[in-house]
Amino acid sequence: EVQLVESGGGLVQPGRSLKLSCLASGFTFSNYGMNWIRQAPGKGLEWVASISSSSSYIYYADTVKGRFTISRDNAKNTLYLQMTSLRSEDTALYYCARRMRTTVATLDYWGQGVMVTVSS
Amino acid sequence: DIQMTQSPSVLSASVGDRVTLSCKASQNINKNLDWYQQKLGEAPKLLIYFTNNLQTGIPSRFSGSGSGTDYTLTISSLQPEDVATYFCFQYNSGPTWTFGGGTKLELK
Repeated sequence: EVQLVESGGGLVQPGRSLKLSCLASGFTFSNYGMNWIRQAPGKGLEWVASISSSSSYIYYADTVKGRFTISRDNAKNTLYLQMTSLRSEDTALYYCARRMRTTVATLDYWGQGVMVTVSS
Repeated sequence: DIQMTQSPSVLSASVGDRVTLSCKASQNINKNLDWYQQKLGEAPKLLIYFTNNLQTGIPSRFSGSGSGTDYTLTISSLQPEDVATYFCFQYNSGPTWTFGGGTKLELK
């Protein structure tokens, strides 16, 4: 069974940093691209970042480019999101999701999400 | 950037109704579109990928269609468990992708 479990969220002050993790199990992690998607409270979904299976291709939404860094450790089956210079508008539930191999970006499995609150 | 507009934002329907949700792109997205269902308090779930492909395990009452800029998710016979918010997601404009704003489906 595919499982994605996020961790590392919490309350952080504006301008500070936080690092999220997503532990994958139930599939060969090194064969799949991975993504981070976020959802502000009561709002819709926003794609945040994507990383290919070997980390060769990495992409970011304009809203986080230059502040967030997506990475992965295939030996540890773990996806990361390093977030710096955090702003109040980064407050959201952050999901990691696996990219289906059939299409360019379809997200076939999602974690339950981890909450990040940016507030003083 | 490609903008995705979903309509209506809220839809009320009765059990057994045929329900149609719309997603319109600001430019041609060449069928590079998925539909996701998000129930209250849960993570989104993939329903349909590449416009009209039903994800494994999803009931056949769900179907997708469309081309160019206009796409539709249809539920042939609404069930109580289908109450959720539905999001479309385009990935034609790589490498950045966008979700629609969502349609909240309620029971009448």
